[in-house]
Amino acid sequence: GAVVSQHPSRVICKSGTSVKIECRSLDFQATTMFWYRQFPKQSLMLMATSNEGSKATYEQGVEKDKFLINHASLTLSTLTVTSAHPEDSSFYICSARVQSSYGYTFGSGTRLTVV
Amino acid sequence: AQSVTQLDSQVPVFEEAPVELRCNYSSSVSVYLFWYVQYPNQGLQLLLKYLSGSTLVKGINGFEAEFNKSQTSFHLRKPSVHISDTAEYFCAVSDEGQKLVFGQGTRLTINP
Repeated sequence: GAVVSQHPSRVICKSGTSVKIECRSLDFQATTMFWYRQFPKQSLMLMATSNEGSKATYEQGVEKDKFLINHASLTLSTLTVTSAHPEDSSFYICSARVQSSYGYTFGSGTRLTVV
Repeated sequence: AQSVTQLDSQVPVFEEAPVELRCNYSSSVSVYLFWYVQYPNQGLQLLLKYLSGSTLVKGINGFEAEFNKSQTSFHLRKPSVHISDTAEYFCAVSDEGQKLVFGQGTRLTINP
């Protein structure tokens, strides 16, 4: 149980375009979702926390106008990278808090490459 | 504020040898502690977690960890590793179910 499906797994886009990444909780309701960014050989850096039906809370230094997060339902959260640039290339991972087990489940990640 | 320090960035061991991956945390409140494993280009898989109760926690794939409050540590151990254990391991802490804070990660490399 407690599976989060993340799509796409890989995406290549041109500089200046926008990319949307989706995370869906398949068998539970995810009231809180977390979005992380991971650079090669580094740890996960929390970008923002989203709660269903309210605005996301961004970590210090994360541009909220560039990384748009929407959590419109209890099973879907999306991250849109707007006007992407090569420096936005990274591995993005979503995570949902599982209330029943006091745990967290992670999506499989999205490798974004901006060319 | 919470923080997590993984004391070793890389740990090479021979197959079937025991291994310990070290993790220390700091927090001013009660914490939940986690160990995750990440294989290349994949998300994170939970190995084990400590919420309360017994300080020795057993997880999947033969891993276990011991919560030591006085030393603020949560070291991960496995008595005999396999080639398939080669991966990145992350220790993480949360304050009663809020956001996770991760350590820097430890790359475990198993040599034949």
